[in-house]
Amino acid sequence: SQTIHQWPATLVQPVGSPLSLECTVEGTSNPNLYWYRQAAGRGLQLLFYSVGIGQISSEVPQNLSASRPQDRQFILSSKKLLLSDSGFYLCAWSTTAGGFYEQYFGPGTRLTVT
Amino acid sequence: QQQVKQSPQSLIVQKGGISIINCAYENTAFDYFPWYQQFPGKGPALLIAIRPDVSEKKEGRFTISFNKSAKQFSLHIMDSQPGDSATYFCAAFTRLGGSNYKLTFGKGTLLTVNP
Repeated sequence: SQTIHQWPATLVQPVGSPLSLECTVEGTSNPNLYWYRQAAGRGLQLLFYSVGIGQISSEVPQNLSASRPQDRQFILSSKKLLLSDSGFYLCAWSTTAGGFYEQYFGPGTRLTVT
Repeated sequence: QQQVKQSPQSLIVQKGGISIINCAYENTAFDYFPWYQQFPGKGPALLIAIRPDVSEKKEGRFTISFNKSAKQFSLHIMDSQPGDSATYFCAAFTRLGGSNYKLTFGKGTLLTVNP
């Protein structure tokens, strides 16, 4: 079965520090991968998506970047964090196996920028 | 515009009652409609989904009703239980071309089921 991992689970970082969040998927190949941010108030904002290695699309211009160095690895980065980067970051993968769309989320990383 | 409008923002239901959450969309390119359930501190979990050629889908106590002409769909939770208390998101898939597709979410409904 497929499993999605995110780490770290929680992170407290000072303003101006760098960021690296990692997401890996097991049990599937060539998935579409996504990064979302969920601020207080529940809404899910799509940040980046990737349909393959090295292929990244950005949904919202911001202080963050994403990379996909391996088929099942997706990384979210920042060179200098802002207070507004605080939030709950969710990685997701999707497939159209069987002709239906399915998207599954990881457990999330709670980022607090101080 | 690719939007999914969800209502209500919050909902309080007594145990055993029916919870109803509604969503509406404009983009006719949306072609698959999942619902997600999220507990505090956890990632959203896929709950149930429907294709637009089906008017209703039921899984246990959860039912999706879909009205293609009105571009509306809703989640009904029968016999609501305190354990159903969570945030619920409706969503809609659209294919962007090739293997590229995207999920657009509603803003969520916080459901509280009182014992």
